[in-house]
Amino acid sequence: AQTVTQSQPEMSVQEAETVTLSCTYDTSENNYYLFWYKQPPSRQMILVIRQEAYKQQNATENRFSVNFQKAAKSFSLKISDSQLGDTAMYFCAFMKRAQGAQKLVFGQGTRLTINP
Amino acid sequence: NAGVTQTPKFRILKIGQSMTLQCAQDMNHNYMYWYRQDPGMGLKLIYYSVGAGITDKGEVPNGYNVSRSTTEDFPLRLELAAPSQTSVYFCASSRQDFSYNEQFFGPGTRLTVL
Repeated sequence: AQTVTQSQPEMSVQEAETVTLSCTYDTSENNYYLFWYKQPPSRQMILVIRQEAYKQQNATENRFSVNFQKAAKSFSLKISDSQLGDTAMYFCAFMKRAQGAQKLVFGQGTRLTINP
Repeated sequence: NAGVTQTPKFRILKIGQSMTLQCAQDMNHNYMYWYRQDPGMGLKLIYYSVGAGITDKGEVPNGYNVSRSTTEDFPLRLELAAPSQTSVYFCASSRQDFSYNEQFFGPGTRLTVL
C-alpha cells in the first residue's frame, strides 16, 4: 500500500518570503502522479500543482513549483513571493496508474500561515 | 456549471440515527468518490464509483453505504451513526482519462454525531 508523509505539521513565514513544504511517499509503482492540494479556511480542496512520475522536469505553476526526486521518493512544494492568500492547509497526495478509479492517498497536511 | 455540489453543509445527528449525504456533479464525470477528513488529518477514501451501477470500497468503508443509479448522483448513506463518524465528508469526481485525472471536490459536509 502507498503511504504519504508530511513531516511539518505547521509552518509560518512572512509575506513575500519563499517557503518549502516537504513530502515523502512510499510506493513500489513506477507510473504514478503526485499532487499538492490547498485547503483554505473555506474547506474547499483546490489543486495547486501536479507531477507525472515519468516526467523528469519539475512542474511549475506561477509562484508554485515542485522538487521531484523520484529515487528518493520526495516531492516538495516551493511557494515563492508568498501572499496572505496562501495561508491554508496543504496536502500532498499520491495517485497510481491502474485500471479503474484513480484513488488519491493523502498525507496528514501542513498548516501554512503567511504573516503580514 | 455548478461543478460538484453537496448537501447539507452541516448536520448534527444523535447516536443511532441514519442519514444520507447528497452529492451531485454536472461535469459528466464517470468517476466519483467519497472521502472523510478527521480533525487535523488528511482525507481518506470511503467509497468510489467508476460509473452508474458500479461501486467499490475504499480505505474506510465500515458504517457506510453508497449507490450510483445515475452518472450525476452519488449519495452516501450512514446507518446507525456513531461518534467515530464525526468528520467532514467530501465528495469528488473526475474524468475517466488517467492523463487528465484532476479530482474536483465539493464544498464538504460537516457532520457531528452526539
